[in-house]
Amino acid sequence: DAGVTQSPTHLIKTRGQQVTLRCSPKSGHDTVSWYQQALGQGPQFIFQYYEEEERQRGNFPDRFSGHQFPNYSSELNVNALLLGDSALYLCASNPRTSGRAGELFFGEGSRLTVL
Amino acid sequence: QQQVKQSPQSLIVQKGGIPIINCAYENTAFDYFPWYQQFPGKGPALLIAIRPDVSEKKEGRFTISFNKSAKQFSLHIMDSQPGDSATYFCAANRNAGKSTFGDGTTLTVKP
Repeated sequence: DAGVTQSPTHLIKTRGQQVTLRCSPKSGHDTVSWYQQALGQGPQFIFQYYEEEERQRGNFPDRFSGHQFPNYSSELNVNALLLGDSALYLCASNPRTSGRAGELFFGEGSRLTVL
Repeated sequence: QQQVKQSPQSLIVQKGGIPIINCAYENTAFDYFPWYQQFPGKGPALLIAIRPDVSEKKEGRFTISFNKSAKQFSLHIMDSQPGDSATYFCAANRNAGKSTFGDGTTLTVKP
């Protein structure tokens, strides 16, 4: 049973560039969320996708956008990169209609460095 | 506004000790409270979770104690081992939507 997979694992970009991160959820999960984790801090919620629509959004600017595909996989796009966007980006999935839907299964993350 | 406050920031115990990590929340609409364990370079992994209508839950060496009136919950690790050395995060979730995380506790278990 494959868990949550993310790609790429590491990437380096320069200020002003754009980046796309990809995520495949755990088998049987239909909801995907993205989190940003700065060094030494807890994950911060970016947004959640369910049925190919953005359902909830955290306090992140419009430079952060996403998409969910019919197979439940998801992308996170960040435009006009800033130095402060350097972080570990985590994808998490959960089965929305399960009694344990509040439990997240995380991927290993994509480490983004902006120079 | 930080909705989930976690303490202590770091914790050192001897092997066999019982580290306790505490969290407090503000929003009474939260309806699910998971704990996650994260090793360096890895994503967080779910450890154990509890609903607010339950006062205690045990899974293996991990126990959550929940005090709904005080809006506090804690994680206890029984018979701690060096392999338990990691960063622990509490979280609060509402309606399977966004999860709000604490800032984490770095636990070191000395042999």
